[in-house]
Amino acid sequence: EAQVTQNPRYLITVTGKKLTVTCSQNMNHEYMSWYRQDPGLGLRQIYYSMNVEVTDKGDVPEGYKVSRKEKRNFPLILESPSPNQTSLYFCASSLASGTGHNEQFFGPGTRLTVL
Amino acid sequence: KQEVTQIPAALSVPEGENLVLNCSFTDSAIYNLQWFRQDPGKGLTSLLLIQSSQREQTSGRLNASLDKSSGRSTLYIAASQPGDSATYLCAVRPIRDDKIIFGKGTRLHILP
Repeated sequence: EAQVTQNPRYLITVTGKKLTVTCSQNMNHEYMSWYRQDPGLGLRQIYYSMNVEVTDKGDVPEGYKVSRKEKRNFPLILESPSPNQTSLYFCASSLASGTGHNEQFFGPGTRLTVL
Repeated sequence: KQEVTQIPAALSVPEGENLVLNCSFTDSAIYNLQWFRQDPGKGLTSLLLIQSSQREQTSGRLNASLDKSSGRSTLYIAASQPGDSATYLCAVRPIRDDKIIFGKGTRLHILP
């Protein structure tokens, strides 16, 4: 089954404790991205990757890191989480940008609470 | 900078009615526009993708149109049902950069 998976689905942590949220897709998509969703602010893109070893900042990259060492995986790293990073996070993937055929597929979401 | 707006933010409609959701964007240079549905606390489900060269796409009771020149898209839902209650989001894929921009969504409530 074609899908985007994220782990963990729920995470409660404390300020300053490094964490990683994993994202994996099995559709051989080049483009992957991370979003956060907050009430009243909608979905905002954190980072995206056009392909392996190519990553770029989205609209709200501060406090986050990503890596793209393999095509299928795109982990989101919070080196020193803070309470303002409490949010619902989504990973998504699609075929490469540059065409109109690149439908985005979303993971189920990770609800992160930073105390 | 591309901006995407969805109005209204919330909408309540009696069951059985046809309805239209709106999405507007400021820069017509887009690859495509995608409509999603999101249930509370859940992920996003893709409904329809309209490529920039297309005028509309249909899936079941849903029809999405795209007018690039005016920067508008509509999602038409026929014969609404209580199960259609959800938040509907649109997103555009700009040509000028590789970021994807979402609207804030329309929260739809179908009254039984």
